[in-house]
Amino acid sequence: DTAVSQTPKYLVTQMGNDKSIKCEQNLGHDTMYWYKQDSKKFLKIMFSYNNKELIINETVPNRFSPKSPDKAHLNLHINSLELGDSAVYFCASSEGLYPFNEQFFGPGTRLTVL
Amino acid sequence: GQQVMQIPQYQHVQEGEDFTTYCNSSTTLSNIQWYKQRPGGHPVFLIQLVKSGEVKKQKRLTFQFGEAKKNSSLHITATQTTDVGTYFCAGPGDADGLTFGKGTHLIIQP
Repeated sequence: DTAVSQTPKYLVTQMGNDKSIKCEQNLGHDTMYWYKQDSKKFLKIMFSYNNKELIINETVPNRFSPKSPDKAHLNLHINSLELGDSAVYFCASSEGLYPFNEQFFGPGTRLTVL
Repeated sequence: GQQVMQIPQYQHVQEGEDFTTYCNSSTTLSNIQWYKQRPGGHPVFLIQLVKSGEVKKQKRLTFQFGEAKKNSSLHITATQTTDVGTYFCAGPGDADGLTFGKGTHLIIQP
């Protein structure tokens, strides 16, 4: 069974479009995250979500919004896509809040904005 | 936010040689984690270090946390082709998530 899953695996779209990436975890974890990995492999935290509390990295544009319908899901919505949004987006989860818990990553979604 | 510096960015080794990657922070870290990402894959947790001066081993991998809790290292003895990938250290970061180092890409030549 996949612990953290994401769909789609690949997403190719035009500039200006709105898109969503879904994430689900079946580990019963309390906290979920979104990370962005750019072409140089740099990983950067975007959001964390725990018990209905959303914590946002202030550098993330407000075109990005996570939505959690329940504890097992944290979806990422992106409005007005830009070329610079092209990257691999990873969802992750952990039991309780960081900093003392390992994080389990999903397989990633490669977003290409044309 | 907090930054974690990691060197080297790339490391080419012959199969069987040793490999080390280093991580440094300007501030004291409550803990540090290490992750491995295979090409085309996702980060996978390797270990967490919490105590000052802590040393942990996993088969051919040795992890150290400095006495001042500002630096850490990962050493692989006698590398194998299965060790190929990018190794990241990570400390507490913004948004209650992880701050990752820029990673060390390990390339192994048979």
